[in-house]
Amino acid sequence: GAVVSQHPSRVICKSGTSVKIECRSLDFQATTMFWYRQFPKQSLMLMATSNEGSKATYEQGVEKDKFLINHASLTLSTLTVTSAHPEDSSFYICSAYDRGAYNSPLHFGNGTRLTVT
Amino acid sequence: SQKIEQNSEALNIQEGKTATLTCNYTNYSPAYLQWYRQDPGRGPVFLLLIRENEKEKRKERLKVTFDTTLKQSLFHITASQPADSATYLCALDRGDSSYKLIFGSGTRLLVRP
Repeated sequence: GAVVSQHPSRVICKSGTSVKIECRSLDFQATTMFWYRQFPKQSLMLMATSNEGSKATYEQGVEKDKFLINHASLTLSTLTVTSAHPEDSSFYICSAYDRGAYNSPLHFGNGTRLTVT
Repeated sequence: SQKIEQNSEALNIQEGKTATLTCNYTNYSPAYLQWYRQDPGRGPVFLLLIRENEKEKRKERLKVTFDTTLKQSLFHITASQPADSATYLCALDRGDSSYKLIFGSGTRLLVRP
């Protein structure tokens, strides 16, 4: 089955620093990847859609200069949280459709727990 | 805008019983609805997808129903096992042809041995 690998699984950083999270599709090509954020006991909130070879599209209320997305190849998307603050602490998860079809399942990475001190 | 409602209270059942989880939506009828399982600290894992023209879908011990009149989907796990303990999320298409999903906050299932 389609596998999405996300790294790192946990990261602790100091306020004001930047953190990069990688998301890779291991056995399929993903022209589109999605980045979600999840707070404890809450639903996944879509932050942005990462498009290979073009700019990411951000959901309303998500600061594009704070959450930089790069989708340089068909198997890799990165999310960089710039100048992180404690309120950015959350669980970040990436996902992709393995066939590019809207009615196929989404395959998720195992998430990155970000803690900003 | 579309809202998804899942019971926020945990469902606690005895092993061997059938677990039934509910997903209600408030607005337009989605073209399809999906169910995912999420374990603590992990990403969701896809379980089943049901389309608007389907009433029921089965996969092993899992069954999903979709009632567009009631705006509701039910997710059943028969002969439940402690290993089924997890949070179950329902997700709908956003209805804007964007291929994006919106998720409910999930219901936690606890199966007692």
